[in-house]
Amino acid sequence: QSALTQPASVSGSPGQSITISCTGTSSDVGSYNLVSWYQQHPGKAPKLMIYEVSKRPSGVSNRFSGSKSGNTASLTISGLQAEDEADYYCCSYAGSSTKVFGGGTKLTVL
Amino acid sequence: QVQLQESGPGLVKPSETLSLTCAVSGYSISSGYYWGWIRQPPGKGLEWIGSIYHSGSTYYNPSLKSRVTISVDTSKNQFSLKLSSVTAADTAVYYCARGGRVERSAFDIWGQGTMVTVSS
Repeated sequence: QSALTQPASVSGSPGQSITISCTGTSSDVGSYNLVSWYQQHPGKAPKLMIYEVSKRPSGVSNRFSGSKSGNTASLTISGLQAEDEADYYCCSYAGSSTKVFGGGTKLTVL
Repeated sequence: QVQLQESGPGLVKPSETLSLTCAVSGYSISSGYYWGWIRQPPGKGLEWIGSIYHSGSTYYNPSLKSRVTISVDTSKNQFSLKLSSVTAADTAVYYCARGGRVERSAFDIWGQGTMVTVSS
């Protein structure tokens, strides 16, 4: 069970859109529509932003959206805002009642 | 609202057992949901440790399975983590979190986390 692969960093200017990828295998991301995304500000606990690939919990801005194609899931943030600057982690169900996280992506708002 | 609070020693000696408890308020563990432990070494990413159902069914990360025990105490509305034979590599912030109605669900509510350092 290896960690999902995410880019170490992405950046964008306010108002722009960015996409963070999360690449797994046919044993995790590719087999289940059970990818979730978490936002983590420095020193804070992670916050669920997307679950089951593209569903948003109540209270999460619709600027956040998720998708999946094959073994790669993606998180898109549109209308980038300064408060979006944080670390983002993907997580996938990996079968046999196990979960695997990605290595994390640092988003910088320029 | 549902809140989770981790507690336990902040310093553990190498080779000893790390023990943490997660107290749940605003929701009865006996009513359902899966509950999990996740850790984050300093400056690194998240790692799922394992999850438990109120009935006591447990699911562990294969890489930690030989050293991990997660248990639930419905009378105290809390669940616990034990990690044996710790080394410096187990130094991390440990989070407890609520999963969903099935074991494959995302973690929607998290505790604030507790830092555990392994050092002599």
